[in-house]
Formats: sequence, structure tokens, C-alpha cells
Amino acid sequence: NAGVTQTPKFRILKIGQSMTLQCTQDMNHNYMYWYRQDPGMGLKLIYYSVGAGITDKGEVPNGYNVSRSTTEDFPLRLELAAPSQTSVYFCASSYSGPGGNIQYFGAGTRLSVL
Amino acid sequence: KNEVEQSPQNLTAQEGEFITINCSYSVGISALHWLQQHPGGGIVSLFMLSSGKKKHGRLIATINIQEKHSSLHITASHPRDSAVYICAVPQVETSGSRLTFGEGTQLTVNP
Repeated sequence: NAGVTQTPKFRILKIGQSMTLQCTQDMNHNYMYWYRQDPGMGLKLIYYSVGAGITDKGEVPNGYNVSRSTTEDFPLRLELAAPSQTSVYFCASSYSGPGGNIQYFGAGTRLSVL
Repeated sequence: KNEVEQSPQNLTAQEGEFITINCSYSVGISALHWLQQHPGGGIVSLFMLSSGKKKHGRLIATINIQEKHSSLHITASHPRDSAVYICAVPQVETSGSRLTFGEGTQLTVNP
């Protein structure tokens, strides 16, 4: 099994551009998460999903959108990129909530907005 | 909101030393997670525990539910243990569907 796969690994955007960060998991997990990690800081939750068709905001959702049309995929859309969105983005998944299951993380996407 | 505090923020040790990283949280939980972030950035889950103690190789995690405190111990530390160790707990106000993370403990083990 591949686990959680994120693409791309690196990306440089110009201010105002848009892009989609892809996340796919092959473990049939119901829960999926998008986090961002700024240099020297902890993980912050952007959006999460508890199942196909269900998404909810996390701590820092502004400037992002998500969709969950299938169990496997949870893309993160950045509209009108800003320098403040320069960060490392991690996708994660788990079978159920963190009260009962560990989260599996993707390798991360390093994004710079210039 | 469940606040998570880790200590110390930074820890430097010599190879072979016994390491302890602490985590305290403010609201009762169903489980606590310890994660490791490698120098290259990858994140892996080390433990999820709701009571007592768990051991995996040289890593030991303990939790005291009454005191709302957990510790991560590393025995016979090695330079390859150098990483950021992160404590996380389910966020009570969202029915436990998401985690609240500590800021992490940066561990450096020198040869």
C-alpha cells in the first residue's frame, strides 16, 4: 500500500495564482485532514473531512477550499495565493476520529508564494 | 479548548542518555498521541494511548489520566533519535474528530 500520497512535493507560486494540492489515500480511511506548518511552528488544521461529501473548517481555513467527492481523494485548493500561504502542507488520514485511531501523514508539500 | 503544553521546547543530549519529554493537557481525553517529525519533515505516529504504558523498541510512552499528563521516554538515545516530538490530544469541542497539537520538543542527540 502507498498510504497517503501528496503531490506535488514542491511548488513556487506567484502572488494571485491558484493551485490544487492533491492528496490520495489507499487505506479506505474515512477521516482526512489538511494541515499547514509554518517554520518553527506547530501543525495547524486547515480543513478536515469525516467522510465522502462531508467537510468542515479547521483553525485556519481562510484562503483555502476543499472537496471530498470520494473516500480516497481530498484535494486542497488555494485561490489567489498570498505570501502568507508560504508553508509546508501535510495531508493525513485515519480510519476514524483521533480518539480511537492514529493518523497517517503524507510526505508534505513545500509551497512558496513569491 | 483543550490546551496542550510540552516541555522542554528544546533538549540536547549525549548519545546513550535517557530522555524524557513531557506533555500536559487541560481537559479529559479518550486518547493521547505522540508523533515524531524527522529532520527531513516527514511525520509518523509513534503511539496512541489511553492508559498506562506502551513500549516500542527504545521508546516508552506513559500516561496518567488523573493528572492529565503524559511522558515520552527514550532509552539509550542515539543521534538518529534527533527529531521533533509532538504530543496531540482529541479536541473535545468537536466531538473528538480533530487533534490539538503541542508545539513540539526539538531533540538533538550528539554522538
